[in-house]
Amino acid sequence: AQSVTQPDIHITVSEGASLELRCNYSYGATPYLFWYVQSPGQGLQLLLKYFSGDTLVQGIKGFEAEFKRSQSSFNLRKPSVHWSDAAEYFCAVGARGNQFYFGTGTSLTVIP
Amino acid sequence: EAQVTQNPRYLITVTGKKLTVTCSQNMNHEYMSWYRQDPGLGLRQIYYSMNVEVTDKGDVPEGYKVSRKEKRNFPLILESPSPNQTSLYFCASSFRGAPYEQYFGPGTRLTVT
Repeated sequence: AQSVTQPDIHITVSEGASLELRCNYSYGATPYLFWYVQSPGQGLQLLLKYFSGDTLVQGIKGFEAEFKRSQSSFNLRKPSVHWSDAAEYFCAVGARGNQFYFGTGTSLTVIP
Repeated sequence: EAQVTQNPRYLITVTGKKLTVTCSQNMNHEYMSWYRQDPGLGLRQIYYSMNVEVTDKGDVPEGYKVSRKEKRNFPLILESPSPNQTSLYFCASSFRGAPYEQYFGPGTRLTVT
C-alpha cells in the first residue's frame, strides 16, 4: 500500500540556518513526489515536484529536494531559512489517475 | 484570476442535517479532488474526478458523495453528517496534461455537533 511518512512533527530552526525536512515513501512503482507548503489559514501551495530525471529538483522560494530511490526518500532542503518560511510542510506521492497520498506534515517554527 | 473557490468557508451544523460544500474552478481543469485535513493525519483524499461524470473513491469516501455534472464544479455532499466529519476540507483541481500540479481552494472548516 502507498504511504508517506514525515517523521518530524515539529522542527524549530533559527533564521538564517539551514533546513532539512524528511520524507519517506512507500510505493510500488516509480513515484511522483511533491512538497507542498501551507501557511496558517491558507490552502496548500506546490513547492516542487519530482517526476523523473535529475534527482535534485529546484522549487520556489529557494527550496530544493533530492530523490533517493535506494532510501525511498525525498527530503526537502533550504540553505538559509527566512522567518516567512514558518508554515506546515507536506510531502505527497501521486499515484495512478489522480490519487494522492499525503504525509502527516511537519510544522516549522523559525526563531528570529 | 485563476482560482479554486469553495463555499461556504465556515459551517457549523448538526448531526444528520444534509449539507453541500461547493467547489468551482475557472481554469478549465479536467481533474478535481476533495480532501479532508485532520490534526496528526495530514490530508486524506475523499473523492476525485478525472472528468465530467467520472468520479472515483479516494482513501476515505465513507459518508460522502460527489457529483461532476459540469467541468468547473465538483460539490461535496454529506447526506447525514456526523461529528467525526468535523474537519477542514479542501478542493483541488489540475490540468489533465499536468495532473499532479494541483491548485487548492482556500478550505472549508466544517463543525458537526
